[in-house]
Amino acid sequence: KAGVTQTPRYLIKTRGQQVTLSCSPISGHRSVSWYQQTPGQGLQFLFEYFSETQRNKGNFPGRFSGRQFSNSRSEMNVSTLELGDSALYLCASSLGDGGNTEAFFGQGTRLTVV
Amino acid sequence: GESVGLHLPTLSVQEGDNSIINCAYSNSASDYFIWYKQESGKGPQFIIDIRSNMDKRQGQRVTVLLNKTVKHLSLQIAATQPGDSAVYFCAETNNFNKFYFGSGTKLNVKP
Repeated sequence: KAGVTQTPRYLIKTRGQQVTLSCSPISGHRSVSWYQQTPGQGLQFLFEYFSETQRNKGNFPGRFSGRQFSNSRSEMNVSTLELGDSALYLCASSLGDGGNTEAFFGQGTRLTVV
Repeated sequence: GESVGLHLPTLSVQEGDNSIINCAYSNSASDYFIWYKQESGKGPQFIIDIRSNMDKRQGQRVTVLLNKTVKHLSLQIAATQPGDSAVYFCAETNNFNKFYFGSGTKLNVKP
């Protein structure tokens, strides 16, 4: 079956702009989590969506937001981009029902803010 | 690779040797732990997990050990192969949909 698909793979944006990243989970998975990965901070949890509702949230400013659609696809949005937002953004999908906890990651979207 | 930081600890091993990667976790309430492998240009890949009611779990060529007393997790890889070269992360949680990741260890396998 198809894995987790993230689009686009690479993005270059200018400070102050906004960006939307997309994640299509594995078929049947209802939970989508987003992570930011940087060399300095490592992998940091942004938020998690389950059945179109944000179920968990990390410690990122309100400029970072997300949503999930009825088909479980998820988008995350970053507004008013800052240079420090340059990172690899990863999404992970899982069943999310607490029984099977294995999460599968996509390849990520590499965002560069200039 | 995408996950390599300037100051990632590196473990260099000879092909065929066993590797042991260590991780200290912070939350004594964490009850589920995972090891992930991340190769250059790819997202993290699940290797093995362990619940807090266990102290050892074995997979294919990998073993995870959990010491809750000192909040320490280790990943042992038997007969390390060049394909094992990657960055390895441990992750902990007490909420199955919100994980906290360690900073990672780069494993370099020398042929």
